[in-house]
Amino acid sequence: SSELTQDPAVSVALGQTVSITCQGDTLKSYYASWYQQKPGQAPSLVIYAKDRRPSGIPDRFSGSGSGNTASLTITGAQAEDEADYYCNSRDRSGTHVLFGGGTKLTVL
Amino acid sequence: QLLLRESGPGLVKPSETLSLSCSVSGGSISSNSFYRAWIRQAPGKGLEWIGSIYHSGTTYYNPSLRSRVTISEDVSQNQFSLRLSSVTAADTAVYYCARHVYDILSGYYFDSFDVWGQGTMVAVSS
Repeated sequence: SSELTQDPAVSVALGQTVSITCQGDTLKSYYASWYQQKPGQAPSLVIYAKDRRPSGIPDRFSGSGSGNTASLTITGAQAEDEADYYCNSRDRSGTHVLFGGGTKLTVL
Repeated sequence: QLLLRESGPGLVKPSETLSLSCSVSGGSISSNSFYRAWIRQAPGKGLEWIGSIYHSGTTYYNPSLRSRVTISEDVSQNQFSLRLSSVTAADTAVYYCARHVYDILSGYYFDSFDVWGQGTMVAVSS
């Protein structure tokens, strides 16, 4: 079965830039979306269709993708960005949705 | 503003059927622009897509759960539902309903879940 692979944990110094990656073969065929989840809260969409930002999402969040890798970049990380981040795309059949395993972002 | 709210028992016995509903307010679930989805998260774990339903009633299920899952909708009540049969402790999780966008941009399809309920915790225990 196809998978989406994320680093389990990433850290960034306050105000610095960090990229969170999502790898999977199906990312060559489907755009990724990204979600932020803070403890005790439902996930919220921060990037869709590779690099589109929903209204209300700060412009320090950006998305990109090339080949089998999608990336979420936070430029000038803030303390409130500390959260778990998940990517999603499709599986190899193209019929089912997949989520990555999630990345815990720590802002130092 | 579209709001989703999950409801259902917080405790289900092993081997029984988990039943949850998602009430939609601020918009109609019968839109042909969106799917409606169920997603779960076991304690301390990541997100798992359970399945989605389209306005025509067409459903798509996670292959690992397909034999036990049914997602349906009641347009008159503006809600959609999840049934998961033969539950075990492994089905203990927070269950979310969400609006599921499946669209195409620059030749590439994408999925996004842009509106989420607050989630409801379901424990499977005797």
